[in-house]
Amino acid sequence: EIVLTQSPGSLSLSPGERATLSCRASQSVSNNYLAWYQQKPGQAPRLLIYGASTRATGTPDRFSGSGSGTDFTLTISRLEPEDVAVYYCQQYGRSLFTFGPGTKVDIK
Amino acid sequence: EVQLVQSGAEVKKPGESLRISCQGSGYSFTSYWISWVRQMPGKGLEWMGRIDPRDSYTNYSPSFQGHVTISADKSITTVYLQWSSLKASDTAVYYCARQGYSYAFNHWGQGSLVTVSS
Repeated sequence: EIVLTQSPGSLSLSPGERATLSCRASQSVSNNYLAWYQQKPGQAPRLLIYGASTRATGTPDRFSGSGSGTDFTLTISRLEPEDVAVYYCQQYGRSLFTFGPGTKVDIK
Repeated sequence: EVQLVQSGAEVKKPGESLRISCQGSGYSFTSYWISWVRQMPGKGLEWMGRIDPRDSYTNYSPSFQGHVTISADKSITTVYLQWSSLKASDTAVYYCARQGYSYAFNHWGQGSLVTVSS
């Protein structure tokens, strides 16, 4: 089973700043089956990025995904107040899905 | 419009059985896997298992294998998550989620809160 580690655990930035979230896998993620989700309090998760770098329908272009193999990054180019949420990465491989523990993003 | 509508909140006692549901609409039900995801209070997302509604093939996370059962009824486009004997540690919100491109979950149910308490 592939284990995902996310860093940092939390970050607090000012509006307009750049946020860089990391997701590291214990083994190579096959075919870049790596996705990112945003979850706001009391809501279901929402898909932001799939295939490591493709924005899902409705994802603002300030969100971008990159990476391959074992190291992946979600970047929010200019943080907005509505981006306050927990962000999870998720992978699929060998018939199993796993989620990372999440990164909490706050506004200063 | 794709929708996944889950059954409502449940309050159960330890040892009781429970089945919660997730009804899909707005798409070809047998064309996409459905997974169940657990979120314990204040914690992260955990993938439990998935089902292919076309043939009811399932596979489970090792952490949940043997503790829950996932099933589907194509005739009513509904997937189920079932426990035979609940524990207090099963208290959580449970989400169903539909597969999309690149094995990402592009549609989610609204969540079902299960509370297990004596």
